[in-house]
Amino acid sequence: SQTIHQWPATLVQPVGSPLSLECTVEGTSNPNLYWYRQAAGRGLQLLFYSVGIGQISSEVPQNLSASRPQDRQFILSSKKLLLSDSGFYLCASGPYSGANVLTFGAGSRLTVL
Amino acid sequence: AQKVTQVQTEISVVEKEDVTLDCVYETRDTTYYLFWYKQPPSGELVFLIRRNSFDEQNEISGRYSWNFQKSTSSFNFTITASQVVDSAVYFCALSEGRDKARDDKIIFGKGTRLHILP
Repeated sequence: SQTIHQWPATLVQPVGSPLSLECTVEGTSNPNLYWYRQAAGRGLQLLFYSVGIGQISSEVPQNLSASRPQDRQFILSSKKLLLSDSGFYLCASGPYSGANVLTFGAGSRLTVL
Repeated sequence: AQKVTQVQTEISVVEKEDVTLDCVYETRDTTYYLFWYKQPPSGELVFLIRRNSFDEQNEISGRYSWNFQKSTSSFNFTITASQVVDSAVYFCALSEGRDKARDDKIIFGKGTRLHILP
C-alpha cells in the first residue's frame, strides 16, 4: 500500500517570504500526484496535478507553482507568499487509473502572517 | 465542467440518531466515478467508497450506506445509529472517466462537518 510523506507539518511564514512544501510517495511507481488546499469554508480545492515527471497541470491561477523532479516527489512552491495562501495543504497520490482512489498525506498547515 | 455540491456545511445530531449527508454532482461525461472521504480531526483524508456511473446499486457497509441516483445526480451517504467517533468532515468527490485514463482530476465538494453529540 502507498504511504505519503509530507513536510513540514506546520509552517509559519511572513508575507513575501518563499515557500517549499515537499511530498514523497512510497509503495507505488508512476502515480498521479495532486496538491489540494483546504481553506476555512472552502473545502478541498485542487491546485495542481501531475501525471508524470515534469508534467504539471494547474487548476487555479495563483502565485503558487508545483514541480515533479522525480517520479515520486512533488513539490509546492512560492516565491512570495500572500496572506491568502494560508491554509492546510494536502498531497495525494493515485494509481494510473480512470477510477482513482486517492491516498492522502497528513497535510502541511501554513500560516502566513 | 465537473462540479460537486454539498449543501450541508455543518450537521449536529445526538448519538444513535441516523444522519444523511447529501451530495449532488454535475458532469457531461457518461463515465465517471463518485467517492466519499472522511477527514477526522487529525486531518488526513480516509477513503470510504467509490462508485462508477454504470453501477446504481446502493451499497451498505456496516452502519454506512450510500444511495446513488443518476436521475437526480445525487450520491447521498447515510450513517445509521451514529456514534461519537463518526464526528468528522465528510467529502464527496467526482472523477470523470476518459479514454486518456491518466488525465483524471478528482474534484471535491466543500465538505460537511458532522458533529455527533454524546
